[in-house]
Amino acid sequence: EAQVTQNPRYLITVTGKKLTVTCSQNMNHEYMSWYRQDPGLGLRQIYYSMNVEVTDKGDVPEGYKVSRKEKRNFPLILESPSPNQTSLYFCASSLLAERNEQFFGPGTRLTVL
Amino acid sequence: ILNVEQSPQSLHVQEGDSTNFTCSFPSSNFYALHWYRWETAKSPEALFVMTLNGDEKKKGRISATLNTKEGYSYLYIKGSQPEDSATYLCAFNNAGNMLTFGGGTRLMVKP
Repeated sequence: EAQVTQNPRYLITVTGKKLTVTCSQNMNHEYMSWYRQDPGLGLRQIYYSMNVEVTDKGDVPEGYKVSRKEKRNFPLILESPSPNQTSLYFCASSLLAERNEQFFGPGTRLTVL
Repeated sequence: ILNVEQSPQSLHVQEGDSTNFTCSFPSSNFYALHWYRWETAKSPEALFVMTLNGDEKKKGRISATLNTKEGYSYLYIKGSQPEDSATYLCAFNNAGNMLTFGGGTRLMVKP
């Protein structure tokens, strides 16, 4: 089954404790992206990647890191999480950025205390 | 940060009503305009990706139009059903490969 998976789905952590949210897709997509969703603000792009070893900042990259060592994986790293990073996070992938639909993962609800 | 706006923010209609909502976006550096349907507790799912001025796309009772010169797209739902209740998101893709989402229109269809 073609899909985007994220882990964990839910996470409660404390300020400053490094964490990684994994994202994996099995559709051989070049483009992958991370978004956060906050009430009243809609989906905002954190980072995106056009292909292996190519990553770029989105609208809200501060406090996040990503890597794209393999085509299928695009982990999101929070080196020192803070409460303002409490949010719902979505990973998405597509064949190419501009003209192809994004396939979204199930979401990761993160709470930073 | 690009300005992508959707209106209205929320909409209540009766089952059987037809409805439409708007997405406005920058008219420069246009690459594509996406529409997604997002049900509560699920992930957004793609409805349409539109790339050409004057594009019209249709999927069942849902259709969309695109005007890139003036920077707007309309989404239409004909004969709304309760299962159409969801948040409808548009997203603008510019030449820089970023995808900027609007705030969404939350549609509630009453039986």
